[in-house]
Amino acid sequence: GAVVSQHPSRVICKSGTSVKIECRSLDFQATTMFWYRQFPKKSLMLMATSNEGSKATYEQGVEKDKFLINHASLTLSTLTVTSAHPEDSSFYICSASRASRGTNEKLFFGSGTQLSVL
Amino acid sequence: AQTVTQSQPEMSVQEAETVTLSCTYDTSESDYYLFWYKQPPSRQMILVIRQEAYKQQNATENRFSVNFQKAAKSFSLKISDSQLGDAAMYFCAMDSNYQLIWGAGTKLIIKP
Repeated sequence: GAVVSQHPSRVICKSGTSVKIECRSLDFQATTMFWYRQFPKKSLMLMATSNEGSKATYEQGVEKDKFLINHASLTLSTLTVTSAHPEDSSFYICSASRASRGTNEKLFFGSGTQLSVL
Repeated sequence: AQTVTQSQPEMSVQEAETVTLSCTYDTSESDYYLFWYKQPPSRQMILVIRQEAYKQQNATENRFSVNFQKAAKSFSLKISDSQLGDAAMYFCAMDSNYQLIWGAGTKLIIKP
């Protein structure tokens, strides 16, 4: 089956620093990738939709200047948390769509990144 | 508004028994997909089963099956012969108009 690799799995950083999270589709080209945030014991919250070669579409309430998304190739999307603060501590998950229309019918998830900001 | 509702925050079942997780949804679309995802303690999101709304036949994947009632907008998941490895959070989700809407999740506990 299709594999999506997310790295790092866990990161601890100091307040004010920036952290980059990578999401790679290993055996398919993903026109569309999604970034989610998950709070403890809660469901996934969509942060943004990333389309290769174009600007990401952010959900309401998500600061685009704080959460920078780059989808430079069909196999790689990155999420950079800039000037991280303790309230940014969370579990971040990426997913990649294998469907040509970019829909969710063939969606594969990364293993997630636990970000802890001290 | 498009919504997905899981009314059971937690369910428990004896090993080898059968359990049903409930999910209801609301959408004005006629064509959509419904999913059940499993998130074990590792937190890796795993697709359990997928149902296309225009297909009347209920989807089945080994011990997992759904009861899809389109008119009632209900999409329950039945797990037969429950195993310890089934313990996880289960999320119901709907893809409607290219947006994935998630339920709040149900924590499934397997009693040995």
